[in-house]
Amino acid sequence: GAVVSQHPSWVICKSGTSVKIECRSLDFQATTMFWYRQFPKQSLMLMATSNEGSKATYEQGVEKDKFLINHASLTLSTLTVTSAHPEDSSFYICSARDRGVFTDTQYFGPGTRLTVL
Amino acid sequence: AQSVTQLGSHVSVSEGALVLLRCNYSSSVPPYLFWYVQYPNQGLQLLLKYTTGATLVKGINGFEAEFKKSETSFHLTKPSAHMSDAAEYFCALVTNTGFQKLVFGTGTRLLVSP
Repeated sequence: GAVVSQHPSWVICKSGTSVKIECRSLDFQATTMFWYRQFPKQSLMLMATSNEGSKATYEQGVEKDKFLINHASLTLSTLTVTSAHPEDSSFYICSARDRGVFTDTQYFGPGTRLTVL
Repeated sequence: AQSVTQLGSHVSVSEGALVLLRCNYSSSVPPYLFWYVQYPNQGLQLLLKYTTGATLVKGINGFEAEFKKSETSFHLTKPSAHMSDAAEYFCALVTNTGFQKLVFGTGTRLLVSP
C-alpha cells in the first residue's frame, strides 16, 4: 500500500511556542490530505481538510488561526500548532488521499504525539 | 447525517478463536465502508474496504467483512485469532465521495489471550 510519513513522531514543547508537523505522501501525489486529532482511548476527530494550492477547510469548532495548515505541494502538508497550550497535547494523525483511476483510498501517517508543558 | 456505531469497546478472545467485531452504519446514500487497525502509538492501517460489487470483502492478515445492506452492517471477522491481532479497530464511513471525509466509529479494542 501507499506510504505516508509524519515528522516528527513526537515532540515536547513549552507553553506558548509553536510546533510544526509535516505529513508527506512518499509514493503518490495527494491533492487532498486530512488532519485528525486523537485523544487517549478515543476515536479520531477530523480537524481539517487540506487541499493542494488552496485554503484548508476546517471542521466546526476547530480554530483555524491556532491550527495553521499549509498544503504547498502534492506530497506535503504541514500543520502548525501556534501558541501551544497544555490542552493542545494530543496525538495528531494525518492522512493522504490516493485518488487514481482504479483507487480512492485514504492512507494514514504514523502520527505525531505532541506534549505541551 | 451519516454515522458509524461499533458495538463493544472491548472484545476478548482466545488465540485461535473466531474474531467478530461489529459495525453498523447509518447513511442516506450508498456508503463506502472501511476497517482500519491501529497498533499502540501508531497511525491507522487499512484492513479492507467496501465500495461496490461483491459484498464479501477480503482484506489483509486474514480479515474479511460482509456488507449487508438490509442490516446496515459491516462486521469484521477472522476465523482464527492470533496474538498479533491485538489492537484497536475502527470502522469508518465515507460521507461524501467527492472529498472522502471519513466518519469513524468509536473503536473496538481486541484483546487476545494465549
